[in-house]
Amino acid sequence: GAVVSQHPSWVICKSGTSVKIECRSLDFQATTMFWYRQFPKQSLMLMATSNEGSKATYEQGVEKDKFLINHASLTLSTLTVTSAHPEDSSFYICSARRGYTDTQYFGPGTRLTVL
Amino acid sequence: AQTVTQSQPEMSVQEAETVTLSCTYDTSESDYYLFWYKQPPSRQMILVIRQEAYKQQNATENRFSVNFQKAAKSFSLKISDSQLGDAAMYFCAYKDSGGYQKVTFGIGTKLQVIP
Repeated sequence: GAVVSQHPSWVICKSGTSVKIECRSLDFQATTMFWYRQFPKQSLMLMATSNEGSKATYEQGVEKDKFLINHASLTLSTLTVTSAHPEDSSFYICSARRGYTDTQYFGPGTRLTVL
Repeated sequence: AQTVTQSQPEMSVQEAETVTLSCTYDTSESDYYLFWYKQPPSRQMILVIRQEAYKQQNATENRFSVNFQKAAKSFSLKISDSQLGDAAMYFCAYKDSGGYQKVTFGIGTKLQVIP
């Protein structure tokens, strides 16, 4: 149990376009979902925390108007990178908290390349 | 703010031998959780082991065990009988008690397993 999926696994887009990444908890309800960004050979940087049905809480330095997060249900959260630029190219990982436990389960990640 | 320090950027171990990865953290909290996550080349984050700070007994999961020293704020991971599939990046992580709290990751240790 505790499987998290992400779609797409990789995406290439043109500069100026928007890209949506989905994160789904497949076999549990995720009360909280987290979005991370990981640069090559670096650790995970938390971008935002989202609770189902409420606005996401963004970490300092993360532009909320650029990285739109929606957590519409207990099994789905989406991250939309708006007006993407080459510097937004990165590996984006979501994680989900099962119920009210203290463990996060991670999705397989999405590699975004902006040309 | 909580910090997690992994002082070994890279480690290597002979197959079937034992290796220990170091991690220290800083917090003023008394109740928290510590984790070791594995990130293989696929980049899927996999939970290896978790430790609850209020439990004195060190957590174990098959070939993986931890040495949790709360006073010293140390949380090392021991991998016994190392296997080729253990080769990966290993991230130490900290989380305050409370499921909605974010996880803070160390910068990771790259483990190489030599056949």
